[in-house]
Amino acid sequence: DAKTTQPPSMDCAEGRAANLPCNHSTISGNEYVYWYRQIHSQGPQYIIHGLKNNETNEMASLIITEDRKSSTLILPHATLRDTAVYYCIVTKRSAGNMLTFGGGTRLMVKP
Amino acid sequence: DGGITQSPKYLFRKEGQNVTLSCEQNLNHDAMYWYRQDPGQGLRLIYYSQIVNDFQKGDIAEGYSVSREKKESFPLTVTSAQKNPTAFYLCASSIDHASPPETQYFGPGTRLLVL
Repeated sequence: DAKTTQPPSMDCAEGRAANLPCNHSTISGNEYVYWYRQIHSQGPQYIIHGLKNNETNEMASLIITEDRKSSTLILPHATLRDTAVYYCIVTKRSAGNMLTFGGGTRLMVKP
Repeated sequence: DGGITQSPKYLFRKEGQNVTLSCEQNLNHDAMYWYRQDPGQGLRLIYYSQIVNDFQKGDIAEGYSVSREKKESFPLTVTSAQKNPTAFYLCASSIDHASPPETQYFGPGTRLLVL
């Protein structure tokens, strides 16, 4: 799996959009970008994934650059409950479920 | 409600003792996983099981053992050979080992503290 780089921490004001970046410059053609989040002392929660097109679901939007070397997770209207560690993972979708989580980005949503 | 349960939420162990962490799922999933998380770090895979009576070592299996006698259950034993067992332990399951990552569900975790 390709390596990812994320900032260790970010702050966001409540009600504003939170934009979390991820670099994955060594991503290969059949690898997907996945995002998970982990609220303190809980298990990780799947958010969204994509290959090359931008994706949106009820939780977030995922923007992948045209060269696929980086992506941004967008939480459109952050709430205090979005305070968590956000993990960007690059993996083949057929590789099964042995996920490798790095350090992630600790997002603090402030009132 | 379908899901994964882990017990206990907090566990204290004296040095030199073995301790077993429970993981149960009622999702009818074939594959189950154990991860370890240290403070401020990501998750590392300890063991995984693709099917009953079968399991494979992950990246950090030394000092741990598992069993998979029933589909619903995948207990993890932290043995005295694990030199630094204090950590947050997460169990997960998925439909099968080849199913895509978004189908993996995580339990609430057990925090183990060695006294």
